[in-house]
Amino acid sequence: GAVVSQHPSWVICKSGTSVKIECRSLDFQATTMFWYRQFPKQSLMLMATSNEGSKATYEQGVEKDKFLINHASLTLSTLTVTSAHPEDSSFYICSAMGGRATDTQYFGPGTRLTVL
Amino acid sequence: GENVEQHPSTLSVQEGDSAVIKCTYSDSASNYFPWYKQELGKRPQLIIDIRSNVGEKKDQRIAVTLNKTAKHFSLHITETQPEDSAVYFCAASFGFGNEKLTFGTGTRLTIIP
Repeated sequence: GAVVSQHPSWVICKSGTSVKIECRSLDFQATTMFWYRQFPKQSLMLMATSNEGSKATYEQGVEKDKFLINHASLTLSTLTVTSAHPEDSSFYICSAMGGRATDTQYFGPGTRLTVL
Repeated sequence: GENVEQHPSTLSVQEGDSAVIKCTYSDSASNYFPWYKQELGKRPQLIIDIRSNVGEKKDQRIAVTLNKTAKHFSLHITETQPEDSAVYFCAASFGFGNEKLTFGTGTRLTIIP
């Protein structure tokens, strides 16, 4: 149980384009999802917390107009990187929690974004 | 906010020996401490966690200890095997109602056959 998927697993795009990443909880309902960014050989940096049906809460220094998060259902959250630039190239990972019964986060497999 | 420090950054251990990774946290209100294992290019996987009402927890070759007074917790891996080679992250959160995780900087563990 507690499986989280992400799509796509990798994406290459041109500078200035937008990219959407999906995060799905496959076998549980996730009231809360988190989006992280991880640079090579570094730790996970929380970008935002996403609750179903409400606006995401962004961490300090994360541009909410650039990283659009939508948590439209209890099993799906999306991250859209708008007007991507090479410095946005990174490994983006989501995690999901199964509601009040647990505070454990289960991670998706990550999406490697390369902006040319 | 919470700050989590992790040591060492790299650790090499002979196969069969034990490995210990230590973390300290800054906010005494933190009460949930998970450990994640991440292999190259893969997702972090929860290997063990502990809550503040418990001082130690074991799961086969893996154990975690927590000292709330000193605000530090440690991961212990015994009888290490080559497949234990990975990056390990500790994390801390305030638990239910505020589950945002703050991660340590990671420890690259290498098991030498």
